[in-house]
Amino acid sequence: DQQVKQNSPSLSVQEGRISILNCDYTNSMFDYFLWYKKYPAEGPTFLISISSIKDKNEDGRFTVFLNKSAKHLSLHIVPSQPGDSAVYFCAAVNTGTASKLTFGTGTRLQVTL
Amino acid sequence: NAGVTQTPKFRVLKTGQSMTLLCAQDMNHEYMYWYRQDPGMGLRLIHYSVGEGTTAKGEVPDGYNVSRLKKQNFLLGLESAAPSQTSVYFCASSGASGYTGELFFGEGSRLTVL
Repeated sequence: DQQVKQNSPSLSVQEGRISILNCDYTNSMFDYFLWYKKYPAEGPTFLISISSIKDKNEDGRFTVFLNKSAKHLSLHIVPSQPGDSAVYFCAAVNTGTASKLTFGTGTRLQVTL
Repeated sequence: NAGVTQTPKFRVLKTGQSMTLLCAQDMNHEYMYWYRQDPGMGLRLIHYSVGEGTTAKGEVPDGYNVSRLKKQNFLLGLESAAPSQTSVYFCASSGASGYTGELFFGEGSRLTVL
């Protein structure tokens, strides 16, 4: 059973526009959420995170929104740049009981010129 | 400035052969993990360790064994490789100062089982 879902396998956005990547989860015990970015032939790297006590966290061009009632989070990238082209994984964890992340299946973002 | 290092980077095995993937981290992290990445499946946790001498099963542990004899090393073993274990394997580590889920990943090891 996939507890963290990314229903869009791919997304194409023009340079300068907003990219919105979505993630849904089913486990209400998750209290911390993260986004990782992965380039080909490299390991994933941490991008941004949000605690369940917040509904928004911003870091430069990247903003993560959390809607706990809908069990939904999204990553906004504004403005999108060609270097943002990568696979993005959302991940979730229950920090109180477990020390391991559950990852989504990933969304491949292509930023076109 | 090595971070997390995985060896080997590439390996081709025949069905039934055994091998060990080595992960080494130089950040004095307590937690270490082995994930596999498959198309359409995302990253799935195989085994993990919360400290030297400890191991625990993750989501997909069957067919794999692990050992954490030293804090800086986490070994993933395949005793009898199967084609279903063809995948890209990632090792990761995270720090001891409170778990936040921020993992540091290695570059990956691509394993093909024929």
